[in-house]
Amino acid sequence: DAKTTQPTSMDCAEGRAANLPCNHSTISGNEYVYWYRQIHSQGPQYIIHGLKNNETNEMASLIITEDRKSSTLILPHATLRDTAVYYCIVRALYNQGGKLIFGQGTELSVKP
Amino acid sequence: GAVVSQHPSRVICKSGTSVKIECRSLDFQATTMFWYRQFPKQSLMLMATSNEGSKATYEQGVEKDKFLINHASLTLSTLTVTSAHPEDSSFYICSASGAGGRGDTQYFGPGTRLTVL
Repeated sequence: DAKTTQPTSMDCAEGRAANLPCNHSTISGNEYVYWYRQIHSQGPQYIIHGLKNNETNEMASLIITEDRKSSTLILPHATLRDTAVYYCIVRALYNQGGKLIFGQGTELSVKP
Repeated sequence: GAVVSQHPSRVICKSGTSVKIECRSLDFQATTMFWYRQFPKQSLMLMATSNEGSKATYEQGVEKDKFLINHASLTLSTLTVTSAHPEDSSFYICSASGAGGRGDTQYFGPGTRLTVL
C-alpha cells in the first residue's frame, strides 16, 4: 500500500473550515483514499473515502487532485468536538485482505 | 448502521492470567475482522486479520500463540491474551467489514483498555 504524509498537527478556530492535507504521491490506480479520525481513548471513526472524484457526506468533503497524488479533507464548520487525530490512509482493494495501515496522522485542535 | 461493540471496555488483571476480549458487529455480518493495539501516544498497529471460519493471519512480530483469535461467527470475534504480562498493557481495538473485507469500509469498536499488574 502507498504511504501517506500528513502534517503532525494543525489548529483551527471553532466555526471555521478545517482543511487537512495528505500527500500520497505513490498511490496506485486501484487504491482508495480513506479518512478516519480518533478522538482520545476511543476507536477510530470512519469519515469518508474516495477514488478519483470529490466526495461529500454529512461529516466532511474529500477533495482529490486530478493526478491523485494528494487530497484534502474539509470539515466545513469545525466544532470543539472535532478535536481529534485524523488519519489519511491509502488502501489497496484486493491486496492484503483490505487491511488499513495507520500512520501518525494529524492532530487537529479546534479552539474557541 | 455499521456498529461494532467491544467487551469489556476496561480490564485489569494480574500478570500470568489470560484475558478474553470480544468484538461484535451489531447490525451487519462481518466476514473479516481486524485486531489492532495502540500504545500511549502512538498510532494503531495491526495485529491480525481474521476471516469467519478460518485461521487468523498475524502480522510480522505478533505471537500467534500469545494472542489467540477466534472468529467463529459472522458477528463475533474474540482475542485472548494468554499469560498476560505488564508489557501487554495497551489499548486493543477491533474493526469489522463485510463482504470479505475487500473494498469495503472498516468500522471500529470503541476499544478495550487492558492493564496488566
